Amino acid sequence: GENVEQHPSTLSVQEGDSAVIKCTYSDSASNYFPWYKQELGKRPQLIIDIRSNVGEKKDQRIAVTLNKTAKHFSLHITETQPEDSAVYFCAATLDQTGANNLFFGTGTRLTVIP
Amino acid sequence: DGGITQSPKYLFRKEGQNVTLSCEQNLNHDAMYWYRQDPGQGLRLIYYSQIVNDFQKGDIAEGYSVSREKKESFPLTVTSAQKNPTAFYLCASSPINRVGELFFGEGSRLTVL
Repeated sequence: GENVEQHPSTLSVQEGDSAVIKCTYSDSASNYFPWYKQELGKRPQLIIDIRSNVGEKKDQRIAVTLNKTAKHFSLHITETQPEDSAVYFCAATLDQTGANNLFFGTGTRLTVIP
Repeated sequence: DGGITQSPKYLFRKEGQNVTLSCEQNLNHDAMYWYRQDPGQGLRLIYYSQIVNDFQKGDIAEGYSVSREKKESFPLTVTSAQKNPTAFYLCASSPINRVGELFFGEGSRLTVL
């Protein structure tokens, strides 16, 4: 089955700096890679995703890049703000009807220092 | 907020007791899931269901049971056979053709005393 590794487990940055979280996956058939953000005491929420036919996707201050050859993908947050402080999870799956589940990384706790 | 509702939010149980966690969604999603969240271990799949009256084991199904009698509902029972049940449990749903786009409930924190 799929194995997703995520690094680092914790990350502290000064407000305004950039943050990068990296994930690797093992199954070359995986083709959908979402990122979830979980603020303290709240539910995880999908913040951005990328499919394997795309190398990069941006949404305002967040972006995700995918390197299919190397089987890794990354989340980039620019101009970080205190409200970006949360745990971020990457995930991978084979995105098709009937696919069973999403394989999650172990999470990165991001702290943005004001 | 609406969408997917879990209850109770906090639950305490004594060892040897079964407990049932409720999960209800009004998003008309076909697929529903139960995840367990432990510190440093991410989200691990317990059970999932893609259609009423059918469900499949996930990675850590031992000691848990589920039912899917209605599309809207996917309750999870934590049985006394689960050796380490203290955890945060998250229910989620997704459209059947977008299985990676999960909508989560707010979670249920179970503590075994």
